[in-house]
Amino acid sequence: GQNIDQPTEMTATEGAIVQINCTYQTSGFNGLFWYQQHAGEAPTFLSYNVLDGLEEKGRFSSFLSRSKGYSYLLLKELQMKDSASYLCAVMDSNYQLIWGAGTKLIIKP
Amino acid sequence: DADVTQTPRNRITKTGKRIMLECSQTKGHDRMYWYRQDPGLGLRLIYYSFDVKDINKGEISDGYSVSRQAQAKFSLSLESAIPNQTALYFCATSDLQTDTDTQYFGPGTRLTVL
Repeated sequence: GQNIDQPTEMTATEGAIVQINCTYQTSGFNGLFWYQQHAGEAPTFLSYNVLDGLEEKGRFSSFLSRSKGYSYLLLKELQMKDSASYLCAVMDSNYQLIWGAGTKLIIKP
Repeated sequence: DADVTQTPRNRITKTGKRIMLECSQTKGHDRMYWYRQDPGLGLRLIYYSFDVKDINKGEISDGYSVSRQAQAKFSLSLESAIPNQTALYFCATSDLQTDTDTQYFGPGTRLTVL
């Protein structure tokens, strides 16, 4: 079966750095997405990786290792507004998105 | 104006009632999707459509039907609602022409079936 694993919840301190991991087992691979979702709101697109390596976008970076079935989202200089759930999703061989359950990130002052 | 809109935003209904959720987009995207989200679970695909004449079942289509009335409109129906269909429903769109096929989401409809 297809499976995306990410931690259920993480806590970090304002101004710090946090890394959210995602491991996947899917039928094929056509890219990995990270989305941010504030409680009760729509998911919003953060990043896309299809090749191995690090993609940086301001305070957020995303890393992919296809051979290990592994990705992480790195958030730097954490702000209170970063408190949200972070969703990892993989596009499989049928170009369907397979979603993880999300990681709830709690930022403490 | 929002690129992807959903109506209604909230709905409370009773078991056995027929419900329609509507989605409209101004992004000009060909592809549209319906998902449901339950606490502790990932987004689950109900139906998707790659153009007006194309409708496909997703992971959890039982108990649901859809209609793609135009490129910009995609409706989800629950013919006879049941309590375990209580969830947050999202519509999403993506562009066939891009390399990444990134999906963009509407604001969601919170449906409660009593």
